[in-house]
Amino acid sequence: EAEVAQSPRYKITEKSQAVAFWCDPISGHATLYWYRQILGQGPELLVQFQDESVVDDSQLPKDRFSAERLKGVDSTLKIQPAELGDSAMYLCASSPRTSGTYNEQFFGPGTRLTVL
Amino acid sequence: QKEVEQNSGPLSVPEGAIASLNCTYSDRVSQSFFWYRQYSGKSPELIMSIYSNGDKEDGRFTAQLNKASQYVSLLIRDSQPSDSATYLCAVRRLNSKLTFGKGITLSVRP
Repeated sequence: EAEVAQSPRYKITEKSQAVAFWCDPISGHATLYWYRQILGQGPELLVQFQDESVVDDSQLPKDRFSAERLKGVDSTLKIQPAELGDSAMYLCASSPRTSGTYNEQFFGPGTRLTVL
Repeated sequence: QKEVEQNSGPLSVPEGAIASLNCTYSDRVSQSFFWYRQYSGKSPELIMSIYSNGDKEDGRFTAQLNKASQYVSLLIRDSQPSDSATYLCAVRRLNSKLTFGKGITLSVRP
């Protein structure tokens, strides 16, 4: 069964350190999303890629966060430096396309980040 | 007004009962509506999508959409303890991002 892969599943770091998360979308899915979910809230979009291009990064804190999808397949999300408020679940999702009504998104298992 | 609102809950129902989860949205041009189930510590899992007014049934789940009233609901029939989870409503305009509600926690009592 096709699934979105993410690693690591858990990450504990100290503030001011750098962290990186990796995501491999479902094969053939052109669109990849990174979300952040704080406990008790719904996921919030950080960045959306269509192939290797950024479609929406309006909510990405660009002073410390960066994301890339160089070959239009897997993607990396980086935080440098990490802050206490970055503790959250980081979710990757993929969908077959960006546009259109019937565009279901499927989530990976997520990375639980704890910043000490 | 929040873009997507869900009853704060938690909602508790006995095993075998019907659980009714509601969601309202503010953007009248929203076109796609989704329900995700999220177990504690896990990622969201898509369980229903609905795009047209009316009901859509899938097994024990029924999604209901009323665009005129701007609400979407999820009914779970014959609720089981394994249905205990947080249910997230998500709404999308055409060619736009998915917006999630805060979720409602359902507890099914054996």
